[in-house]
Order: sequence, then structure tokens, then C-alpha cells
Amino acid sequence: SYVLTQPPSVSVAPGKTARMTCGGNNIGSKSVHWYQQKPGQAPVLVIYSDSDRPSGIPERLSGSNSGNTATLTISRVEAGDEADYYCQVWDSSSDHVVFGGGTKLTVL
Amino acid sequence: QVQLVESGGGLVKPGGSLRLSCAASRFIFSDYYMNWIRQAPGKGLEWISQISSSGSSIYYADSVKGRFTVSRDNAKNTLFLQMNSLRAEDTAVYYCTREALTAEFSLDNWGPGSLVTVSS
Repeated sequence: SYVLTQPPSVSVAPGKTARMTCGGNNIGSKSVHWYQQKPGQAPVLVIYSDSDRPSGIPERLSGSNSGNTATLTISRVEAGDEADYYCQVWDSSSDHVVFGGGTKLTVL
Repeated sequence: QVQLVESGGGLVKPGGSLRLSCAASRFIFSDYYMNWIRQAPGKGLEWISQISSSGSSIYYADSVKGRFTVSRDNAKNTLFLQMNSLRAEDTAVYYCTREALTAEFSLDNWGPGSLVTVSS
């Protein structure tokens, strides 16, 4: 089955740029979606189809996807961005939704 | 805006059964694929099942195949998850999610979740 690999944690100072990766075999050929989950809350879709933002999501959040790595980038990081972030794809070979293990973003 | 509300969670003994419901409102339920996602305490997200808009196509994760059954009632705007032969490792918050129409397999709306605890 298809595996998505995310670093367990990323730390960044306020105002800096955070980059969170999502690795998978030829993930660039798939459509990647990203979710933000704050403690005690349901996840929220923040990036879909590699780089599109749902309405209401700030432009500071952006996504890219190429080769074996997809990346979620948060510019000008704020304290409110502290959360767990999950990447997700559809694996057509198994007809399964697949999530990465998640990355905890800590704002220093 | 879109509303998804799960119900039916609770404490159940190993080997027992539970049925979750998800009441959908403020969108045309019958147009959308739906998915169940779960999250064990302190763990990541795990996909459980997908059901097509008509209910004719259904997929399950290997971890629940043969034990869980997803269904929907489009007339009542409700999604269901029948969980049988429950195990301790099924303990989790279960989320009802809507799949976006235009963004392939993305989950654009989530319910608040329903906690299922499997313990003797």
C-alpha cells in the first residue's frame, strides 16, 4: 500500500517561514491535500489539489508537489498556526485514502 | 454553512457493536461522496471507509474490512457506520467527512467527531 512520510515535528520562530514535507513514491503524479488540526478540534482542509486554497485560508499558506515530495509552506508564521498538519492522497491502486503520519508545528 | 453531526458513540465492550450516525444538512447530501475517518487518542488520522453518492460504490480500510459496514440514507440525509466485533484498537474519535466535488478526494468538511471507547 502507498505510504506518505512526514517529519514528526517542525519548529519555527514567529514571522519566519515553515516548510513541512510529505514524501511518497512519485507523489508528484498524485493530487495532494493538506489539513490543519488544532488541539481538541476536527481537522480543517487548508490546501487541496497540491496548491489551491479553500476560501478563508490565508495566502500565507501555500503548497507545491513534485517528484517524491509535496511541501506545505507557511510564510510569516503566527502563534495561531501552531497545530498538527496532515497530508493526504487517494491511492488508486488500492482505492484507499491515505494520510501521512502528521507533523506537529511548534511556534517558538 | 455545511453541517455534519455525528452521534452514537460511547463505551462498548470488546466484541460488541455500535452504530454511528452522521446527520448532514445545508447541502445536497445525495450529490456527495462521504468518508469516515478516525483518530485514536494521541495518534494520527486513519481513513476507514468511503461511500459513493448513490451508495453503489464502497471501500474499506483493511483494518476494518469485514467488521464495519458503511451505508447512507439519501432521503434522510444521513450517513451510517455499523461497527461489529469491536476491539480495543478501534477506540478513537470517529469523524464524518464530505468529499469535495471539484477537488479530487479532498475532504472539505468534517463533523466534530464522536468518541468510541472499546473497553471491558
